[in-house]
Order: sequence, then C-alpha cells, then structure tokens
Amino acid sequence: AQSVSQHNHHVILSEAASLELGCNYSYGGTVNLFWYVQYPGQHLQLLLKYFSGDPLVKGIKGFEAEFIKSKFSFNLRKPSVQWSDTAEYFCAVNTNAGKSTFGDGTTLTVKP
Amino acid sequence: NAGVTQTPKFQVLKTGQSMTLQCAQDMNHEYMSWYRQDPGMGLRLIHYSVGAGITDQGEVPNGYNVSRSTTEDFPLRLLSAAPSQTSVYFCASLSLLGDRGHTGELFFGEGSRLTVL
Repeated sequence: AQSVSQHNHHVILSEAASLELGCNYSYGGTVNLFWYVQYPGQHLQLLLKYFSGDPLVKGIKGFEAEFIKSKFSFNLRKPSVQWSDTAEYFCAVNTNAGKSTFGDGTTLTVKP
Repeated sequence: NAGVTQTPKFQVLKTGQSMTLQCAQDMNHEYMSWYRQDPGMGLRLIHYSVGAGITDQGEVPNGYNVSRSTTEDFPLRLLSAAPSQTSVYFCASLSLLGDRGHTGELFFGEGSRLTVL
C-alpha cells in the first residue's frame, strides 16, 4: 500500500521568505507525484505534478518541486512567498491505476 | 465546461437518517472517487471507481455505499448517518490516460459539508 508523509503540519512565514515543504512517500512501484493547494473555503487545485523526466518540475505561481528517487521525496519550494500563498498544501501520489493517496496536509500562513 | 459538480453544498442530518451526495463530471474521466476531509487528517479515500459498473473500497468505506451506472455519475450514499460522518466530502475524477499515458491529476468538486446531529 502507498502512503504519504508531510513533515510540517503548520508553517508560518513572513512575506518574501523562502518556503520548503517536505513530502516523503512509500511505495515500491512507479508513482506519479502531485502537489495540490487548497485556499480557504475552496476545493483542491493542482499546483504541479511529476511523472518522469527532469526531476525538477515547475508549477503555477512560482512553485517548484524536486523529485529525489533515492530519498522517496518530493519537496515543494518557493523562493519568495506572498500573503496570497496562505493555504493548505497537500502532497499526493497515485499509480497508473488511478488510486490517489494524500498526506495530512501543511497549513501555510504568510504574514504580510 | 462544468468539470466536477457536487450537490448539495451543505446538509444537516439527524443520526440514523439516510442521504445521497451527488457527483457528476463532464470530462469523460474513467476514474471517480470520494474523499472525506477532516482537520489534521488530510483527505481519506472512501470509495473509488475505474469505470461504469466497477467500484472498490478505499481507506474508510464503512457506512458508505456507491454505485457507478454511468461514466458521468458517482453518487455516495449514507445509509444511516452517524455523528462520526460529520465532515467535508469531495468528489474527484481523473483520466487514466491523462498525460503521455500517465494517470492525470485529480479534478475536485466544490465539496459538500455534512453535519450529523
């Protein structure tokens, strides 16, 4: 069975600070990796995804993530956060059978 | 293009009542699923389906039933509601061949907030 672990439950940053959210997964086969974002009161939306190829992937709003296969990690980064990045962030994995597993989520609060 | 549509958005039930959460998608996605979201617990998979006539249990299936008679619809039924089922429910779908043969990302509905008294 696949599982996802997010290390930070709540992160508080000031605007312009750099962000890194950790994500590790457990699964022995080929996985597809995702980061989703949920703004207050809204549903989840895709931030970025990795299937294969270049392990550094870029998403929307200046976010990027790096897949490190040897560490089973897919950490999310942003060089300079904005107040509008305040949201909950979820790491997820799925297999080519579609079944998706989510981490517990990280709440990011950005202070203006 | 409506995407994934869930109804109702809000519902209050009494313990023991039954209800159905509706979910429809217009993207011709093979895969549909239901999650519940509870504070500090992320999203937990209730049931999922890889095509019409095929359903399977997820991580927390007890107390819920599903069916998939068409590609578009995937209703979630609560047969006898319990307070432990108070949660926000999300329906989500994806294409199994979404991107260069890989499973695509999940598209979520707006969510249904259910309170069981």
